[in-house]
Amino acid sequence: GIQVEQSPPDLILQEGANSTLRCNFSDSVNNLQWFHQNPWGQLINLFYIPSGTKQNGRLSATTVATERYSLLYISSSQTTDSGVYFCAVESNYKLTFGKGTLLTVNP
Amino acid sequence: DGGITQSPKYLFRKEGQNVTLSCEQNLNHDAMYWYRQDPGQGLRLIYYSQIVNDFQKGDIAEGYSVSREKKESFPLTVTSAQKNPTAFYLCASSPQINEKLFFGSGTQLSVL
Repeated sequence: GIQVEQSPPDLILQEGANSTLRCNFSDSVNNLQWFHQNPWGQLINLFYIPSGTKQNGRLSATTVATERYSLLYISSSQTTDSGVYFCAVESNYKLTFGKGTLLTVNP
Repeated sequence: DGGITQSPKYLFRKEGQNVTLSCEQNLNHDAMYWYRQDPGQGLRLIYYSQIVNDFQKGDIAEGYSVSREKKESFPLTVTSAQKNPTAFYLCASSPQINEKLFFGSGTQLSVL
C-alpha cells in the first residue's frame, strides 16, 4: 500500500516562530488532507488540498502532487497551535494517515 | 450545532464482553468511518460506509462489527474476538466517500 512519511516527528518552537511540516507519499494520490489533533484528542480538518496552495489565516499548505509531497506552513505560532499534525492521502478510495508531527509551542 | 457526537467519552470492557461505541452525525453526510488510534501512531481504518445499509472493511476490521441502518448513525461494536481493544476510537464523516473528513471527539476504550 501507499506509504506516508511526515517530518520532523517532533518540533519545539518558541511562540511567534514560523515552521514548515512536510508530508511525503510514495504513489500518486487523488487527494490530501491536513489535520490538527489537540491535546484532548479532537481532530480538526485544516486543509483539503489535492494540489496547489491554500491559505487559512496563519496557516497555509502546498501540495505538489507530481513530486509527491505536501508542506504545511505555520506562521507566528501560538501556544494553541500545539498538538499533532497529521497528513492523510487518498488512493483507491482508501485514506492513509502518516504518523504525525508533534508540535510544542512554548510561551 | 451541526457535528459528530461520539459516546461515551470513556468506556471500560471486561474480558469476554462486547461493547458498542455510538456515533451520530447531523451533517447530512453520506459517508461515515471508524478509525483506531494507538499511542504515538497515526489512524488506522476499521470500517467505512458510503451509504445507508452498506459498509466495507478497512485495514483492521477483525474483531469489530458495524451497522448502518440510518444515515445519521454508525455504531461500532468491539467484540470479544478483538484481543487488544485498548485504544482511542474516532468516528468521522464526509459528504461523499473520501471528500473532506470531519471527526467526532473520540472514545477511549480500556480493558479492565
